[in-house]
Amino acid sequence: DSGVTQTPKHLITATGQRVTLRCSPRSGDLSVYWYQQSLDQGLQFLIHYYNGEERAKGNILERFSAQQFPDLHSELNLSSLELGDSALYFCASSGIPKTGVEQYFGPGTRLTVT
Amino acid sequence: AQKVTQAQTEISVVEKEDVTLDCVYETRDTTYYLFWYKQPPSGELVFLIRRNSFDEQNEISGRYSWNFQKSTSSFNFTITASQVVDSAVYFCALTPPPGLGSQGNLIFGKGTKLSVKP
Repeated sequence: DSGVTQTPKHLITATGQRVTLRCSPRSGDLSVYWYQQSLDQGLQFLIHYYNGEERAKGNILERFSAQQFPDLHSELNLSSLELGDSALYFCASSGIPKTGVEQYFGPGTRLTVT
Repeated sequence: AQKVTQAQTEISVVEKEDVTLDCVYETRDTTYYLFWYKQPPSGELVFLIRRNSFDEQNEISGRYSWNFQKSTSSFNFTITASQVVDSAVYFCALTPPPGLGSQGNLIFGKGTKLSVKP
């Protein structure tokens, strides 16, 4: 158990809908990273938050957004969903936003868009 | 640009065989970190090892060992006497250097699926 929690575990929704994925980092960790794992693209970095502030963006679509709240949990919002958004979404946490510090991953949320 | 290549898509071995998973990376930076993660069938990503670019010493942890060679930009992972529980997808990853737009996010290879048969 990494100490990172993600809810829900599974999510099935229809095209055009909007969903919110939730992540709680390990106790004491200030950084949250979001990644998408799909068959086509593999594991890709989406976005990074540190102590409530956005720090870096990767290949995140404009239809996607995220935020980190004062209690440090983070939410990833996906809107106008398309079939291609079906994927496993991971969040990871680490203590400081420093290159090389290992990230601990949550169990993931499997999103299926029908 | 930074890139990680895991040329072996799938490997199948019989229990007790040794197996090496290859990882080749590309980066122009002198400072970087390399990682290996394991993704068992249950789906979670499990951290295995971190190595910085200044430490080329090989590392051994039980049946696992890692061979880092900067001259060939490789960071290979060997499992000795493989077991069925080693069946998983293994990912090699690289962190880009700190700077604008980068704060430690990982760049992953496509992964190698290892199947260990009894």
